Amino acid sequence: QKEVEQNSGPLSVPEGAIASLNCTYSDRGSQSFFWYRQYSGKSPELIMSIYSNGDKEDGRFTAQLNKASQYVSLLIRDSQPSDSATYLCAAGQSGSARQLTFGSGTQLTVLP
Amino acid sequence: SQTIHQWPATLVQPVGSPLSLECTVEGTSNPNLYWYRQAAGRGLQLLFYSVGIGQISSEVPQNLSASRPQDRQFILSSKKLLLSDSGFYLCAWIGFNEKLFFGSGTQLSVL
Repeated sequence: QKEVEQNSGPLSVPEGAIASLNCTYSDRGSQSFFWYRQYSGKSPELIMSIYSNGDKEDGRFTAQLNKASQYVSLLIRDSQPSDSATYLCAAGQSGSARQLTFGSGTQLTVLP
Repeated sequence: SQTIHQWPATLVQPVGSPLSLECTVEGTSNPNLYWYRQAAGRGLQLLFYSVGIGQISSEVPQNLSASRPQDRQFILSSKKLLLSDSGFYLCAWIGFNEKLFFGSGTQLSVL
């Protein structure tokens, strides 16, 4: 059974701080990793993808991947109240979303 | 650019009633399409996927069925809804590099 584990939270950080979201996965064959942001009552929105070990930065977001430790993280710098949402981690093998496994999400609250 | 339309946004149905949720995709041809369900506070569960017209694969045995009558149309159905069918239903298509893009979702409440 392929699993993706996330701390459900809630995680609270003050505005302007760095939010750190973590995710571990069980399938060593996973090659693709994604972070989705989901506002309450809305559909998930892709915010980051990462495929190789190391860091990938996009604006205030940095995704980090360590395949040896089977660990993925998302850092949000200069957190804003608008970042308050649930963040879903997903891991998969190449070729099809059929192979994509989602975590249950971490709820983030950024306090003004 | 590609867009995915899903309706209705909200649905309240009695137990035992039928269900039909529709999803259409624009701006791409022969997309791989997916139906997910998200129960409250839970992760996304893949229900069905389709690689083409008339081609449906079921991931989880359940009270639901899916059909793909046209290239860009994907329909989720049930003949008789159960309480356990309540949830947030999401249609999605997969783009370049395995990136999954979701429709706006349907919140289904079965009472």
